[in-house]
Amino acid sequence: DQQVKQNSPSLSVQEGRISILNCDYTNSMFDYFLWYKKYPAEGPTFLISISSIKDKNEDGRFTVFLNKSAKHLSLHIVPSQPGDSAVYFCAASVGPGTASKLTFGTGTRLQVTL
Amino acid sequence: GAVVSQHPSWVICKSGTSVKIECRSLDFQATTMFWYRQFPKQSLMLMATSNEGSKATYEQGVEKDKFLINHASLTLSTLTVTSAHPEDSSFYICSARDWGRGLGSPLHFGNGTRLTVT
Repeated sequence: DQQVKQNSPSLSVQEGRISILNCDYTNSMFDYFLWYKKYPAEGPTFLISISSIKDKNEDGRFTVFLNKSAKHLSLHIVPSQPGDSAVYFCAASVGPGTASKLTFGTGTRLQVTL
Repeated sequence: GAVVSQHPSWVICKSGTSVKIECRSLDFQATTMFWYRQFPKQSLMLMATSNEGSKATYEQGVEKDKFLINHASLTLSTLTVTSAHPEDSSFYICSARDWGRGLGSPLHFGNGTRLTVT
């Protein structure tokens, strides 16, 4: 049972444009969400997070939007850069505590073209 | 920022042998560490939660006798794949939070270990 889903396995965006990566979840207990970026043969790198008390969090070129009623979140990258090309995973947990387990989505491969 | 170091980065072993993977938190203490596994083109799947000074908690379907976890100190957790078989070939990644940074600190990952069992 995939509790966190990323329905687009891949996305191609031109450099300078906006990249929008989507994520849906089914477990209503999730209240903390994160986005990670992953290169091949490396561990994921944390990008940005949001708690369920917010609907938007911004950090530089990265903005995460949360729609709790739709159980949907998205990551916006603007402007997209070639170095952003990687696999992006959304993840969710019940609570942000140190022992909270993360459930990951299946990932979206972003390709930023010149 | 918090750094998690994992060793080795890749290992090839023969079927039936055991392999130990180390995960260290380099600049913080971690009472809890998480071990994930990723098969090609799939998501990261949580295998177990490693607890310092106590037994690990395994996710459903993960054999605790096959994947031995030891968390003997606040900076080191080890995963031993015992009697490895080709189907255990995967990418194993450990992770931890810097609890000293309080609630909301993100999970930091090691660079992973590519295990190939021949």
